Amino acid sequence: SYELTQPPSVSVSPGQTASISCSGDKLGGNYVSWYQQKPGQSPVLVICQDNIRRMRFPERFSGSKSGNTATLTISGTQALDEADYFCQTWDSNTVIFGGGTKLSVL
Amino acid sequence: EVQLVESGGGLIQPGESLRLSCAVSGFAVSGDFMGWVRQAPGRGPEWVSVIYTAGTRFYGDSVRGRFIISRDVSENTLYLQMNSLRAEDTAVYYCARAIRGYLAGAYFFYFDSWGPGTLVTVSS
Repeated sequence: SYELTQPPSVSVSPGQTASISCSGDKLGGNYVSWYQQKPGQSPVLVICQDNIRRMRFPERFSGSKSGNTATLTISGTQALDEADYFCQTWDSNTVIFGGGTKLSVL
Repeated sequence: EVQLVESGGGLIQPGESLRLSCAVSGFAVSGDFMGWVRQAPGRGPEWVSVIYTAGTRFYGDSVRGRFIISRDVSENTLYLQMNSLRAEDTAVYYCARAIRGYLAGAYFFYFDSWGPGTLVTVSS
């Protein structure tokens, strides 16, 4: 297995665009998913298969991938988007999670 | 409606065993991939185990040989038998339904539904 690396924290002003990266040696050949987790709650799937957004999330959430780096982008960030975000992939029957990024909306 | 509800967590001493349950409704536990993910206080999620529809089981490095995932079709319940527990096993344990598929030459795998979690504390 391998590791997924995320920045520990990202800060953004309301209305601005937040970008959270996730990098891994073999990420280019594996699909990536993203989860949102708010304090005291379970993780919630936001993006699957690199860029497919779950319907419960607004269009301002999007996913992309270039080479071995995936990015979760939140456009027009709102205060309610403040949460921890985790990337996740699967390789050789092993599930790998990133360490998580705390998004602060200041 | 899809629902997963974990139970069985609690305070337990190092070296002892504990079995977690995950009651499932809204789908058949045997008809989907199912898994356990844990999260230690202040840490990110850590994958624990997964069971495929065919019954194949896989485990994370830190629990392999100590934990066993299983399911009861008649009860529609997922289980995690945890043996030889250690302090570092302290975490909230979530059960989750997984989706796996194959597209454009690669597999995708993600957890689309999660339970609220159950806290396991290993301490003397």
